[in-house]
Amino acid sequence: DAGVTQSPTHLIKTRGQQVTLRCSPKSGHDTVSWYQQALGQGPQFIFQYYEEEERQRGNFPDRFSGHQFPNYSSELNVNALLLGDSALYLCASSPGTRVYNEQFFGPGTRLTVL
Amino acid sequence: AQSVTQPDIHITVSEGASLELRCNYSYGATPYLFWYVQSPGQGLQLLLKYFSGDTLVQGIKGFEAEFKRSQSSFNLRKPSVHWSDAAEYFCAVVPASGGSYIPTFGRGTSLIVHP
Repeated sequence: DAGVTQSPTHLIKTRGQQVTLRCSPKSGHDTVSWYQQALGQGPQFIFQYYEEEERQRGNFPDRFSGHQFPNYSSELNVNALLLGDSALYLCASSPGTRVYNEQFFGPGTRLTVL
Repeated sequence: AQSVTQPDIHITVSEGASLELRCNYSYGATPYLFWYVQSPGQGLQLLLKYFSGDTLVQGIKGFEAEFKRSQSSFNLRKPSVHWSDAAEYFCAVVPASGGSYIPTFGRGTSLIVHP
């Protein structure tokens, strides 16, 4: 079992560009959540996808959007990049949306916005 | 809104010494509580969680945590630290009611282990 995988591992973009990050959940998991982790901070919840729909959303602007595919993999899209979007983006998967379902995290994608 | 405070940014201990990492939360009711560990270049791994019941929770890698309602705290402990425990530790809370189960993480405590 490969666990949660994310691609790419690193990415450099310039302000105003758009970026797409990808996540493949752990085998058997149908729920994917995305987090933003700025340097020296804890992760901040962006949103959660289940059954190809956004189920919960944190306090992030509409520039952040996502998608979940029928195979449960997911994408995070960020438009009109700002310098402040530079962070480690973590994907986590779980077998369902319940809080007691343990989330398994991927290693993250490091996004640098210049 | 809920909040989580990890008052220690860095903690340094000697290998074999005991460890306690502090976590305080602000929330109207008892939330669900979690501790995660993050090693360099890796994602977060769940150490333990508290939902209800026994206030002393056992986790993986020899860690335990104690929930104290009166102090709104959920401190993580380990009796004897190993060099491999050097990592970043995050406390997190999730509301136990209200329909929005969005987690809030603390800013983390970096554990440094001296040989």
